[in-house]
Amino acid sequence: NAGVTQTPKFRVLKTGQSMTLLCAQDMNHEYMYWYRQDPGMGLRLIHYSVGEGTTAKGEVPDGYNVSRLKKQNFLLGLESAAPSQTSVYFCASSYSMVKYEQYFGPGTRLTVT
Amino acid sequence: SQELEQSPQSLIVQEGKNLTINCTSSKTLYGLYWYKQKYGEGLIFLMMLQKGGEEKSHEKITAKLDEKKQQSSLHITASQPSHAGIYLCGADRYYAGNNRKLIWGLGTSLAVNP
Repeated sequence: NAGVTQTPKFRVLKTGQSMTLLCAQDMNHEYMYWYRQDPGMGLRLIHYSVGEGTTAKGEVPDGYNVSRLKKQNFLLGLESAAPSQTSVYFCASSYSMVKYEQYFGPGTRLTVT
Repeated sequence: SQELEQSPQSLIVQEGKNLTINCTSSKTLYGLYWYKQKYGEGLIFLMMLQKGGEEKSHEKITAKLDEKKQQSSLHITASQPSHAGIYLCGADRYYAGNNRKLIWGLGTSLAVNP
């Protein structure tokens, strides 16, 4: 039982490059989330999904796209990376959106130069 | 300003000492979550509190929810180096249209000196 896994763990991009972060969970959770964590800003929700084939915007969605083609996977895409997207990205999943804890992946540290 | 304020921002204690971290909300608390994050790693769920007066324990860590004060406290008894890390609180927030999201405090960084 791996829980929530994220790939890659580290990545350096140049401004304008694109990349996809992959999140996978093996707990059969319906809900999945992408957060970014920045010093002094805390955790901020980028996008989330309430089930396979659905996605919704969080607090800071601009510059990111997501897809949930399979229940166990949630992809976060950066089409044209900017230095402001340098951050640590966390994926999480939960059984429900209400009154259930979220399980987090180990994070992806992304630097955009 | 943050909807969830954590205090203190950072804490250094000697091994064996007790300590308390607070999480105060500017709005009514419905559900409060405590997580621990080791440096450079993901968040690990510790406890969830749902009702005023509720108290839960996990090994030497105890959390309480004070609904009237809109505050939760996390207390560590006889701290150990393994307790070091960043403690974050999260709270349920409900919005129009039955929307719900989890909001987060900025975290309290704890160092435990042997």
